[in-house]
Amino acid sequence: DTAVSQTPKYLVTQMGNDKSIKCEQNLGHDTMYWYKQDSKKFLKIMFSYNNKELIINETVPNRFSPKSPDKAHLNLHINSLELGDSAVYFCASSQEAGVETQYFGPGTRLLVL
Amino acid sequence: QKEVEQDPGPLSVPEGAIVSLNCTYSNSAFQYFMWYRQYSRKGPELLMYTYSSGNKEDGRFTAQVDKSSKYISLFIRDSQPSDSATYLCANTQGAQKLVFGQGTRLTINP
Repeated sequence: DTAVSQTPKYLVTQMGNDKSIKCEQNLGHDTMYWYKQDSKKFLKIMFSYNNKELIINETVPNRFSPKSPDKAHLNLHINSLELGDSAVYFCASSQEAGVETQYFGPGTRLLVL
Repeated sequence: QKEVEQDPGPLSVPEGAIVSLNCTYSNSAFQYFMWYRQYSRKGPELLMYTYSSGNKEDGRFTAQVDKSSKYISLFIRDSQPSDSATYLCANTQGAQKLVFGQGTRLTINP
């Protein structure tokens, strides 16, 4: 059983396009996250939702817009893609907000050409 | 200066060796310290988690925290080729925002 799943696994697109990444967790967790891991392996939080409510919004360009239709799903939409957006995007979830183990998805590798 | 710093390596050791991975942090407010393991092309997974200064042991793994010097270590005894991965330290004040180090890429050679 997949705990945290993401689609697609790979995404290759042209600059200026708009794309979405979907995330689903079947762990019954209340909190979900989006992280970006760059080519040097730095993993940095972008957003966090708790029960569909945005609670962490790091310094991320407005072109990135998360959306949580329900607490099991957290999608990431990116407008006007730029070369610098190329990275691996990880979704994660945890039981509650606070210090709880975060479970990560397999990642979506985005390459902007 | 980044809040959490790790030597990215790569670090290569023979099977059976004791491995020491280290991490320093600058934010005195950090209270919770974690080590995540990330295999190639996979998501990170929590390996160990500790709150206080001192040692915490789990099988072949020992996490050590020294809050006075803001230094965190992970020791792996009897290292195995299956331990080859990137090890990320992560700290937090408790507000669910994890701050990760760059990760150290470790290879255990058979």
